[in-house]
Amino acid sequence: KAGVTQTPRYLIKTRGQQVTLSCSPISGHRSVSWYQQTPGQGLQFLFEYFSETQRNKGNFPGRFSGRQFSNSRSEMNVSTLELGDSALYLCASSEVLASTEAFFGQGTRLTVV
Amino acid sequence: AQSVTQLDSHVSVSEGTPVLLRCNYSSSYSPSLFWYVQHPNKGLQLLLKYTSAATLVKGINGFEAEFKKSETSFHLTKPSAHMSDAAEYFCVVRSSNTGKLIFGQGTTLQVKP
Repeated sequence: KAGVTQTPRYLIKTRGQQVTLSCSPISGHRSVSWYQQTPGQGLQFLFEYFSETQRNKGNFPGRFSGRQFSNSRSEMNVSTLELGDSALYLCASSEVLASTEAFFGQGTRLTVV
Repeated sequence: AQSVTQLDSHVSVSEGTPVLLRCNYSSSYSPSLFWYVQHPNKGLQLLLKYTSAATLVKGINGFEAEFKKSETSFHLTKPSAHMSDAAEYFCVVRSSNTGKLIFGQGTTLQVKP
């Protein structure tokens, strides 16, 4: 089975722009979660999708949004980028919601300049 | 609220010596606990998980962890460190309310030749 695929791997954007990140989960997995990793804040939960519906949401501003498609692929969008949004964004896939095992992708490194 | 605290931000050992990475958790319920490893520029890989079965959990690459309810601890150990073990390690608890993963701040393991 192929693992979790995140695209692109690296991205450089300018303040004020918006960005869309993509995550393709493991085949058969229906839950996708997103996490932000920064040196200062560590790993923080953004949101989780299951069956095209957002099931859980972390404490991030409304500029951060996501969606999930019928094939379980998920996208995350950040609008009006700020310098502090520079981070590694990780996607995790699980078979079911709140599964005891999550498989992570390699992440997308976003740099905002 | 559930949380995990990794007691050491940095641990340095010599190759061939034992590894101990410490983690304490806070949870009102029987927790689901995990250890993940992250090598540089890589995603997160699950090392092992505890989900209320055996208290001594064996994982990949010779790692194991013991769940001690009386001490609210879930320390990660390995009898003999290998150079390839150098990485960042995260202790994680799954929220019983939301199912989201809550990460500790991470412990960087350095292995000296």
